[in-house]
Amino acid sequence: DVKVTQSSRYLVKRTGEKVFLECVQDMDHENMFWYRQDPGLGLRLIYFSYDVKMKEKGDIPEGYSVSREKKERFSLILESASTNQTSMYLCASSLWGGAGGYTFGSGTRLTVV
Amino acid sequence: KNEVEQSPQNLTAQEGEFITINCSYSVGISALHWLQQHPGGGIVSLFMLSSGKKKHGRLIATINIQEKHSSLHITASHPRDSAVYICAVRSGETSGSRLTFGEGTQLTVNP
Repeated sequence: DVKVTQSSRYLVKRTGEKVFLECVQDMDHENMFWYRQDPGLGLRLIYFSYDVKMKEKGDIPEGYSVSREKKERFSLILESASTNQTSMYLCASSLWGGAGGYTFGSGTRLTVV
Repeated sequence: KNEVEQSPQNLTAQEGEFITINCSYSVGISALHWLQQHPGGGIVSLFMLSSGKKKHGRLIATINIQEKHSSLHITASHPRDSAVYICAVRSGETSGSRLTFGEGTQLTVNP
């Protein structure tokens, strides 16, 4: 069963900590995405990557960075976590151009205290 | 105004009822997706449409490209259908193939 795996379902971090959210897919997909989901705002794109070492900013990249050293792994980094980054984070992947649809991970609910 | 608008935002139904969720969009698209999110967060892709109609079990999705509108129908609804249903559109054929999402429709089906 093909899937996207996020390393943690729930995470609690302190303000100012550096936080790593990991996402791994086993479908050989070119595209990988990081979204955050907040009530009333829906899913918003933080960053996406269409190839190894390639990345593009989404709609809300401030306070985040990403890393894609291998095709199957896309990491989201919160350089200095803040309380307004408390959210649900979802990773997704797709083939080049989006053909075949998108596969989402189960999400990581991050709380920054 | 959002590029993707869904209605209603919340929907409560009795088991067995026929349900319709609507999605309107304002941009040119190459495909429209219907997604389902259960409590706990995981998102499942239900349909990807670029024209016409698709059916899977009790779920039917239609799209009218000229009117920029899509509907998701659930026949003989069941409490296990309770979830958030999200419409998302993909614009163009760029390498990133970004999705733009609606805010979702919270469906509750009571027994």
